[in-house]
Amino acid sequence: DTEVTQTPKHLVMGMTNKKSLKCEQHMGHRAMYWYKQKAKKPPELMFVYSYEKLSINESVPSRFSPECPNSSLLNLHLHALQPEDSALYLCASSQEQGNYNSPLHFGNGTRLTVT
Amino acid sequence: GQNIDQPTEMTATEGAIVQINCTYQTSGFNGLFWYQQHAGEAPTFLSYNVLDGLEEKGRFSSFLSRSKGYSYLLLKELQMKDSASYLCALKAAGNKLTFGGGTRVLVKP
Repeated sequence: DTEVTQTPKHLVMGMTNKKSLKCEQHMGHRAMYWYKQKAKKPPELMFVYSYEKLSINESVPSRFSPECPNSSLLNLHLHALQPEDSALYLCASSQEQGNYNSPLHFGNGTRLTVT
Repeated sequence: GQNIDQPTEMTATEGAIVQINCTYQTSGFNGLFWYQQHAGEAPTFLSYNVLDGLEEKGRFSSFLSRSKGYSYLLLKELQMKDSASYLCALKAAGNKLTFGGGTRVLVKP
């Protein structure tokens, strides 16, 4: 069982809908991530939060809006998506202790289909 | 920027050994990670190298040569459940982890 919990597991939404993906971890990690993964491709980084502040945005379109309400929660708000945005969205977390490089722990993902 | 290369697919027999190579170019280096991902599941952490040399964890070992921009993951005593994708991932400055294309390993009886 993963220690990073993502909800929902599956989501189907229309191009005019607004929805949110949620992610939660209780490992005391201070860095949290959103990745997007298309079929048979590696995960691609979208956003990184460090100590609840956005530290990396990989030029993601504004129809994806991340939010980090506290150190345990990470949301991804979706609005006016396109069919090509259909993918597996993975949340991850890691410790942040200066130069110590801890591994990322991934959730099981949300399988998103945009119709 | 970064560039990470690994073979697309490998096939091996149950009980055998397989070595998955990863070569990379990067402007900053804070470690190299290996992840396993079964189809439809989340990536799971296997190993991490930041210094040159071999790290051994049970049936899995990982090697790094920073001067050559080269790493490999060695899987010993292959089992059917080891059929999965294996992702080489590079951490550069900050917390940015970038994945290679992944190597699909098929273990045959």
